[in-house]
Amino acid sequence: RKEVEQDPGPFNVPEGATVAFNCTYSNSASQSFFWYRQDCRKEPKLLMSVYSSGNEDGRFTAQLNRASQYISLLIRDSKLSDSATYLCVVNVGFGNEKLTFGTGTRLTIIP
Amino acid sequence: ETGVTQTPRHLVMGMTNKKSLKCEQHLGHNAMYWYKQSAKKPLELMFVYSLEERVENNSVPSRFSPECPNSSHLFLHLHTLQPEDSALYLCASSQGSNTGELFFGEGSRLTVL
Repeated sequence: RKEVEQDPGPFNVPEGATVAFNCTYSNSASQSFFWYRQDCRKEPKLLMSVYSSGNEDGRFTAQLNRASQYISLLIRDSKLSDSATYLCVVNVGFGNEKLTFGTGTRLTIIP
Repeated sequence: ETGVTQTPRHLVMGMTNKKSLKCEQHLGHNAMYWYKQSAKKPLELMFVYSLEERVENNSVPSRFSPECPNSSHLFLHLHTLQPEDSALYLCASSQGSNTGELFFGEGSRLTVL
């Protein structure tokens, strides 16, 4: 089983729709969780951290379910500029060297 | 403009060549990283330097050799590479070693013929 698993997509979603991604992780001792965004031919950038209580940043909501070992990202009222690959990242230990990346979920917002 | 710059952006080399990738961060961070990104594969950590000391080497083949002369610069020296080493090589930096937030450069696209 992969340490961090994501549906690669692609997800093709009409503008204005709500889209959700899930990500599962195998190490129950994982410490912290993040979503990164990578635009086509660009570098990954941190989108948001994922907290146990769930957190929201504008149209983006991230949630963590430790019991089931998955995290989710919800995007409401999707914009064309949301088209990107979304990387699920899990820290399986202490220290950035323990950050483990998923392969990413590709999202395309259709006008 | 990214605070982490990488050169060259594109590199084509033969298997017998020796070349180097360069990374410079302008963010005052104290940790730097090399990652490899191949198609349909997750980012693979290659090397980590914290306060200019190497803290992680994920069993990377010796044909890849990192160098960190100071906290702002990181190099990846390449020699006798294989075609399967063709990939995007991403440099990143972070402030502290456990923040979860990495700042990436735009990457060096390497093709080995």
